[in-house]
Amino acid sequence: DAGVTQSPTHLIKTRGQHVTLRCSPISGHKSVSWYQQVLGQGPQFIFQYYEKEERGRGNFPDRFSARQFPNYSSELNVNALLLGDSALYLCASSSLGPPSSPLHFGNGTRLTVT
Amino acid sequence: TQLLEQSPQFLSIQEGENLTVYCNSSSVFSSLQWYRQEPGEGPVLLVTVVTGGEVKKLKRLTFQFGDARKDSSLHITAAQPGDTGLYLCAGASDNNDMRFGAGTRLTVKP
Repeated sequence: DAGVTQSPTHLIKTRGQHVTLRCSPISGHKSVSWYQQVLGQGPQFIFQYYEKEERGRGNFPDRFSARQFPNYSSELNVNALLLGDSALYLCASSSLGPPSSPLHFGNGTRLTVT
Repeated sequence: TQLLEQSPQFLSIQEGENLTVYCNSSSVFSSLQWYRQEPGEGPVLLVTVVTGGEVKKLKRLTFQFGDARKDSSLHITAAQPGDTGLYLCAGASDNNDMRFGAGTRLTVKP
Protein backbone atom coordinates (compact mmCIF):
# COMPACT_ATOMS: atom_id res chain seq x y z
CA ASP A 1 0.00 0.00 0.00
CA ALA A 2 1.18 3.50 -0.77
CA GLY A 3 2.24 5.66 2.14
CA VAL A 4 1.61 9.36 2.53
CA THR A 5 2.68 11.16 -0.63
CA GLN A 6 3.59 14.82 -0.83
CA SER A 7 4.23 17.01 -3.83
CA PRO A 8 6.35 18.63 -4.91
CA THR A 9 9.42 17.24 -3.15
CA HIS A 10 11.39 20.45 -3.56
CA LEU A 11 10.35 24.00 -4.33
CA ILE A 12 12.15 27.32 -4.68
CA LYS A 13 10.13 30.52 -4.38
CA THR A 14 10.83 34.23 -4.08
CA ARG A 15 9.80 36.43 -1.18
CA GLY A 16 6.23 37.67 -1.57
CA GLN A 17 5.08 34.78 -3.72
CA HIS A 18 2.57 32.18 -2.66
CA VAL A 19 2.89 28.41 -2.61
CA THR A 20 0.57 25.40 -2.56
CA LEU A 21 1.76 22.10 -1.13
CA ARG A 22 -0.19 18.89 -1.63
CA CYS A 23 -0.64 15.75 0.41
CA SER A 24 -2.34 12.42 -0.28
CA PRO A 25 -3.00 10.40 2.87
CA ILE A 26 -2.82 6.66 3.27
CA SER A 27 -5.95 5.05 1.84
CA GLY A 28 -8.64 4.94 4.50
CA HIS A 29 -7.11 7.65 6.66
CA LYS A 30 -9.49 10.52 7.34
CA SER A 31 -7.17 12.86 9.23
CA VAL A 32 -4.34 14.97 7.85
CA SER A 33 -1.94 17.09 9.89
CA TRP A 34 0.59 19.62 8.62
CA TYR A 35 3.90 20.41 10.29
CA GLN A 36 6.76 22.81 9.59
CA GLN A 37 10.27 21.60 10.40
CA VAL A 38 13.06 24.13 10.36
CA LEU A 39 16.57 22.73 10.02
CA GLY A 40 17.77 21.36 13.35
CA GLN A 41 14.38 21.56 15.05
CA GLY A 42 11.44 19.28 15.67
CA PRO A 43 8.24 19.54 13.65
CA GLN A 44 5.97 22.46 14.59
CA PHE A 45 2.23 21.87 14.34
CA ILE A 46 0.39 23.98 11.76
CA PHE A 47 -3.04 22.41 11.10
CA GLN A 48 -5.04 19.29 11.62
CA TYR A 49 -8.06 18.27 9.54
CA TYR A 50 -10.49 15.45 10.10
CA GLU A 51 -13.35 14.64 7.76
CA LYS A 52 -12.76 17.93 5.91
CA GLU A 53 -13.16 20.00 9.07
CA GLU A 54 -10.34 21.93 10.74
CA ARG A 55 -9.72 20.32 14.11
CA GLY A 56 -6.73 22.27 15.28
CA ARG A 57 -4.47 25.16 14.39
CA GLY A 58 -0.99 25.91 15.64
CA ASN A 59 0.61 29.27 16.29
CA PHE A 60 1.11 30.35 12.68
CA PRO A 61 0.07 33.61 10.99
CA ASP A 62 -3.00 33.91 8.77
CA ARG A 63 -0.73 33.69 5.73
CA PHE A 64 -0.94 29.95 6.31
CA SER A 65 -4.15 28.19 5.32
CA ALA A 66 -5.19 24.68 4.47
CA ARG A 67 -8.10 22.59 3.38
CA GLN A 68 -9.07 18.96 3.06
CA PHE A 69 -10.95 17.59 0.09
CA PRO A 70 -13.72 14.94 -0.06
CA ASN A 71 -11.12 12.31 -0.99
CA TYR A 72 -9.21 13.30 2.20
CA SER A 73 -6.25 14.76 0.32
CA SER A 74 -5.12 18.13 1.57
CA GLU A 75 -3.45 21.35 0.48
CA LEU A 76 -1.38 23.78 2.51
CA ASN A 77 -1.22 27.32 1.17
CA VAL A 78 1.24 29.97 2.24
CA ASN A 79 0.88 33.55 1.00
CA ALA A 80 3.33 36.43 0.99
CA LEU A 81 6.30 34.14 1.55
CA LEU A 82 9.06 35.26 3.90
CA LEU A 83 12.63 34.01 4.09
CA GLY A 84 11.75 32.44 7.43
CA ASP A 85 9.20 30.20 5.76
CA SER A 86 12.06 28.15 4.33
CA ALA A 87 11.63 24.73 5.89
CA LEU A 88 10.60 21.13 5.38
CA TYR A 89 6.81 20.89 5.34
CA LEU A 90 5.56 17.54 6.55
CA CYS A 91 2.15 16.03 6.09
CA ALA A 92 0.96 13.19 8.31
CA SER A 93 -2.17 11.11 8.06
CA SER A 94 -3.92 8.99 10.65
CA SER A 95 -7.05 6.91 10.56
CA LEU A 96 -8.97 8.58 13.37
CA GLY A 97 -6.76 11.54 14.15
CA PRO A 98 -4.24 11.86 16.98
CA PRO A 99 -3.83 10.74 19.64
CA SER A 100 -6.31 7.93 19.05
CA SER A 101 -4.29 6.65 16.11
CA PRO A 102 -0.64 7.19 15.22
CA LEU A 103 0.70 9.67 12.69
CA HIS A 104 2.16 8.41 9.42
CA PHE A 105 4.40 11.01 7.82
CA GLY A 106 5.28 11.66 4.22
CA ASN A 107 8.83 12.61 3.27
CA GLY A 108 7.94 16.27 3.09
CA THR A 109 8.27 19.20 0.71
CA ARG A 110 11.50 21.15 1.05
CA LEU A 111 10.61 24.83 0.49
CA THR A 112 13.35 27.37 -0.07
CA VAL A 113 12.42 31.06 -0.13
CA THR A 114 15.00 33.40 -1.65
CA THR B 1 1.44 25.66 26.13
CA GLN B 2 2.73 22.15 26.69
CA LEU B 3 6.42 22.02 25.92
CA LEU B 4 8.59 18.96 25.53
CA GLU B 5 12.28 19.36 26.20
CA GLN B 6 14.66 16.76 24.89
CA SER B 7 18.20 16.12 26.02
CA PRO B 8 20.89 15.90 25.00
CA GLN B 9 20.48 17.89 21.81
CA PHE B 10 23.37 16.05 20.15
CA LEU B 11 24.99 12.71 20.96
CA SER B 12 27.90 11.06 19.18
CA ILE B 13 29.00 7.61 20.30
CA GLN B 14 30.92 4.58 19.10
CA GLU B 15 29.23 1.43 17.85
CA GLY B 16 28.50 -0.93 20.73
CA GLU B 17 27.99 1.74 23.38
CA ASN B 18 24.77 2.23 25.34
CA LEU B 19 22.91 5.53 25.54
CA THR B 20 19.86 7.17 27.05
CA VAL B 21 17.97 10.20 25.75
CA TYR B 22 15.34 12.09 27.68
CA CYS B 23 12.05 13.86 27.05
CA ASN B 24 10.78 16.09 29.86
CA SER B 25 7.81 18.35 30.43
CA SER B 26 6.08 20.19 33.25
CA SER B 27 2.75 19.02 31.82
CA VAL B 28 0.99 15.70 32.15
CA PHE B 29 0.40 13.82 28.93
CA SER B 30 -2.21 11.16 28.24
CA SER B 31 0.35 9.49 25.99
CA LEU B 32 3.80 10.06 24.58
CA GLN B 33 5.20 8.87 21.29
CA TRP B 34 8.78 8.39 20.11
CA TYR B 35 9.74 8.82 16.46
CA ARG B 36 12.99 8.45 14.52
CA GLN B 37 13.70 10.63 11.54
CA GLU B 38 16.44 10.00 8.99
CA PRO B 39 17.76 12.65 6.59
CA GLY B 40 15.40 13.35 3.71
CA GLU B 41 12.55 11.42 5.26
CA GLY B 42 9.60 12.04 7.54
CA PRO B 43 9.52 10.82 11.15
CA VAL B 44 8.63 7.17 11.69
CA LEU B 45 6.76 6.10 14.81
CA LEU B 46 8.72 3.79 17.12
CA VAL B 47 6.41 3.43 20.09
CA THR B 48 3.49 4.91 22.02
CA VAL B 49 3.49 4.83 25.83
CA VAL B 50 0.25 5.41 27.66
CA THR B 51 0.42 4.24 31.27
CA GLY B 52 2.54 5.94 33.94
CA GLY B 53 5.54 3.73 34.76
CA GLU B 54 5.12 1.76 31.55
CA VAL B 55 8.20 0.15 30.00
CA LYS B 56 8.20 -1.03 26.40
CA LYS B 57 10.99 -2.86 24.62
CA LEU B 58 11.59 -2.89 20.89
CA LYS B 59 14.63 -5.11 20.24
CA ARG B 60 17.57 -3.04 21.58
CA LEU B 61 15.40 -0.01 22.38
CA THR B 62 13.73 0.40 25.79
CA PHE B 63 11.16 3.14 26.33
CA GLN B 64 9.96 4.27 29.74
CA PHE B 65 7.08 6.58 30.64
CA GLY B 66 7.46 8.38 33.97
CA ASP B 67 5.10 7.55 36.81
CA ALA B 68 3.63 11.07 36.68
CA ARG B 69 3.32 10.90 32.85
CA LYS B 70 5.41 14.05 32.47
CA ASP B 71 8.62 12.53 31.16
CA SER B 72 9.97 9.65 29.13
CA SER B 73 13.30 8.09 28.26
CA LEU B 74 14.69 6.02 25.44
CA HIS B 75 17.60 3.67 26.13
CA ILE B 76 19.50 2.00 23.32
CA THR B 77 21.72 -0.97 24.06
CA ALA B 78 24.75 -1.76 21.92
CA ALA B 79 24.11 1.05 19.46
CA GLN B 80 24.70 0.40 15.77
CA PRO B 81 25.38 2.82 12.90
CA GLY B 82 21.85 2.10 11.67
CA ASP B 83 20.52 3.75 14.83
CA THR B 84 21.82 7.10 13.60
CA GLY B 85 19.05 9.64 13.25
CA LEU B 86 16.95 12.32 14.92
CA TYR B 87 14.93 10.96 17.84
CA LEU B 88 11.76 12.92 18.54
CA CYS B 89 9.26 12.65 21.33
CA ALA B 90 5.70 13.90 20.90
CA GLY B 91 2.79 14.38 23.27
CA ALA B 92 -0.88 15.06 22.71
CA SER B 93 -1.82 18.69 23.35
CA ASP B 94 -5.00 19.87 25.04
CA ASN B 95 -6.54 19.92 21.56
CA ASN B 96 -5.33 16.37 20.87
CA ASP B 97 -2.88 17.34 18.13
CA MET B 98 0.65 15.99 18.57
CA ARG B 99 3.36 18.43 19.69
CA PHE B 100 7.01 17.54 19.19
CA GLY B 101 10.21 18.22 21.07
CA ALA B 102 13.27 19.57 19.27
CA GLY B 103 14.83 16.10 19.14
CA THR B 104 18.11 14.40 19.95
CA ARG B 105 20.43 13.98 17.00
CA LEU B 106 22.28 10.68 17.46
CA THR B 107 25.36 9.67 15.50
CA VAL B 108 26.75 6.17 15.94
CA LYS B 109 30.24 5.79 14.52
CA PRO B 110 31.42 2.40 13.22
